[in-house]
Amino acid sequence: SYELTQPPSVSVSPGQTASITCSGNRLGDKYVSWYQQKPGQSPVLVIYQDNRRPSGIPERFSGSNSGNTATLTISGTQALDEADYYCQTWDSRTVVFGGGTKVTVL
Amino acid sequence: QLQLQESGPGLVKPSETLSLRCTISGDSINSSSYYWGWVRQPPGKGLQWIGTIFYTGSTYYHPSLESRVSISADTSKTQFSLRLISVTAADTAVYYCSRHMVIAAAAVDFWGQGTLVTVSS
Repeated sequence: SYELTQPPSVSVSPGQTASITCSGNRLGDKYVSWYQQKPGQSPVLVIYQDNRRPSGIPERFSGSNSGNTATLTISGTQALDEADYYCQTWDSRTVVFGGGTKVTVL
Repeated sequence: QLQLQESGPGLVKPSETLSLRCTISGDSINSSSYYWGWVRQPPGKGLQWIGTIFYTGSTYYHPSLESRVSISADTSKTQFSLRLISVTAADTAVYYCSRHMVIAAAAVDFWGQGTLVTVSS
């Protein structure tokens, strides 16, 4: 079955740029979505179709996808961006999630 | 505004069946634009997709759960259900119902608030 791999953790200073990667075989041929999840809350969609932001998601969230790697970029990271982030795609009629990355704003 | 609400027992005994229902407000399972499904999250762990149902009645399940899981929709198309048989402690998780966008590789644009199901005797 298809697998998506994310780093367990990423640390970033306030105001700096955080980059979270998601790797999978020929992932660039698929659409990737990204979710933010804070403790005790349901996940929130922040990027879909590789680089599109749902209504209400700040412009500092952006995405890219090429080759075997998709990347979620948070520009000008704020303390409220500290959360777990999950990538997701669709393969062979199954929904696939990455293992998640904890973003810590130091 | 779409709302999804999970309901069902919070405690299930090992070897028994877990049954949950999702009530949809503000939409229904009548559109070719969306899948409807279930995602779970064991305590302290990541998201795991369980399965989805399409308005045609077609269902898709996680390969590791396929032998134990079924998802169905009621005739009103405003509720759908999850059934997981022969549960063990490993099935303890927060269970979310979800709406997935077909054109966006099943991206989940709406989530329920989640319900914790504990498997214990």
